[in-house]
Amino acid sequence: GENVEQHPSTLSVQEGDSAVIKCTYSDSASNYFPWYKQELGKRPQLIIDIRSNVGEKKDQRIAVTLNKTAKHFSLHITETQPEDSAVYFCAASWAGKLIFGQGTTLQVKP
Amino acid sequence: DSGVTQTPKHLITATGQRVTLRCSPRSGDLSVYWYQQSLDQGLQFLIQYYNGEERAKGNILERFSAQQFPDLHSELNLSSLELGDSALYFCASSPSRRDRVFWTGELFFGEGSRLTVL
Repeated sequence: GENVEQHPSTLSVQEGDSAVIKCTYSDSASNYFPWYKQELGKRPQLIIDIRSNVGEKKDQRIAVTLNKTAKHFSLHITETQPEDSAVYFCAASWAGKLIFGQGTTLQVKP
Repeated sequence: DSGVTQTPKHLITATGQRVTLRCSPRSGDLSVYWYQQSLDQGLQFLIQYYNGEERAKGNILERFSAQQFPDLHSELNLSSLELGDSALYFCASSPSRRDRVFWTGELFFGEGSRLTVL
């Protein structure tokens, strides 16, 4: 079945720096790759997503890149702010299943 | 507010017992997903329903079962509970495209049901 590996598990950056989180997936048939942000005690919420026919997508300070050949995709957050501190999950979708990575705890230090 | 309602919010029970978690999806969403999130763990996919039918299955234990009713609400039944079943159980709904059977879009998560097994 589909497996999604996410790295790093924790990431600490200084406010204003960039943060990069990487994921790899196992099933080449996966065609949808969303990223979710989960603040402490809250529900996960979609922050950006990309489909397999697109290589890159950007929304203000966040961007996602997809390399289908290598089966990996990445989340880039620029000019990080303390409110970006949260757990970030990548996911890959195939045949109705949306499989999540293990999550990355991002801490942005002021 | 995502529009997805889960009840109960908190539930404390004993080992060996059975509980039912309920989920009402957003108005118009046909797909319902169930996920388990244990302490310091990711989101483990359990099962997905589309318009009343099971669509995809993850690592759901045989002690667990789910269904989606004609009004599209869904229930997750957990039986013979063990300590390790203590977790936050999320339901999520998603819009669907009738022209694409396995199309996946944004998942809207409920607030979760926190289950504690003592």
